Amino acid sequence: NAGVTQTPKFQVLKTGQSMTLQCAQDMNHNSMYWYRQDPGMGLRLIYYSASEGTTDKGEVPNGYNVSRLNKREFSLRLESAAPSQTSVYFCASLYGAMGNTEAFFGQGTRLTVV
Amino acid sequence: KNEVEQSPQNLTAQEGEFITINCSYSVGISALHWLQQHPGGGIVSLFMLSSGKKKHGRLIATINIQEKHSSLHITASHPRDSAVYICAVHSGNTPLVFGKGTRLSVIA
Repeated sequence: NAGVTQTPKFQVLKTGQSMTLQCAQDMNHNSMYWYRQDPGMGLRLIYYSASEGTTDKGEVPNGYNVSRLNKREFSLRLESAAPSQTSVYFCASLYGAMGNTEAFFGQGTRLTVV
Repeated sequence: KNEVEQSPQNLTAQEGEFITINCSYSVGISALHWLQQHPGGGIVSLFMLSSGKKKHGRLIATINIQEKHSSLHITASHPRDSAVYICAVHSGNTPLVFGKGTRLSVIA
C-alpha cells in the first residue's frame, strides 16, 4: 500500500541511550518531515527535508539529527536520549504544488525515555 | 512564523448535533489542511483547501482567505466522529504549521 511507513511503533530508552527512528515513503515525494507531539503543544517540527540531499532545522531540533538517505527514506536519530524527548514522533511527507498539496503521515512512534 | 489557533479546544456533543470547529492563522497561506487523529494516534488527511468550500460525506470545510479563517463542520454527528481534529497551514514549500487540535467527543 502507498503511504508513509514509520518504525518502531513503541520504544523505551534509558537516559543516554541512542536510537534511530526510520521513515520511508513510496510515493516519490520530495518533502519529508519529522514532528513531535506533546500534550497541549500540537505537532512541532523537528527537522525537514525539502528534497533528497537537503535537510533543515525546524522549531525544536536540539538533541536530534536527521539523514535523508535517498528520496524514499528520512531517518531521525537521538544520539543521547533525555527524558525531555519522551513524546510521540510523526514522520510526514507533503506532495503537490502551490495550493494543491496533500499530506501523509506515518503511524507514529511513542517514545519513552526513563 | 504562522500562528495557528483552533477553537474550541474541547467539544462534547450529543449524537446528531451539528458541529463546528474553527481555525484562524496569522500569515497568508497557500493551503490549509484539516486532519483527524483517532485514539491510538494515526493522523489522516480530511481536506486540503486553498479557497472556497469542500464537502466529503457529512464533513464540510470552508476557508475565507481574506479573514484568514477556516471552519470544519460535521453534520449529524456520530460517536465514531470522536477524535482530535487538527488544522495545519503552509505557504509555498514551507513545512506545515499545526494548531493544537480540537478534541471532539460525541455521545450516543
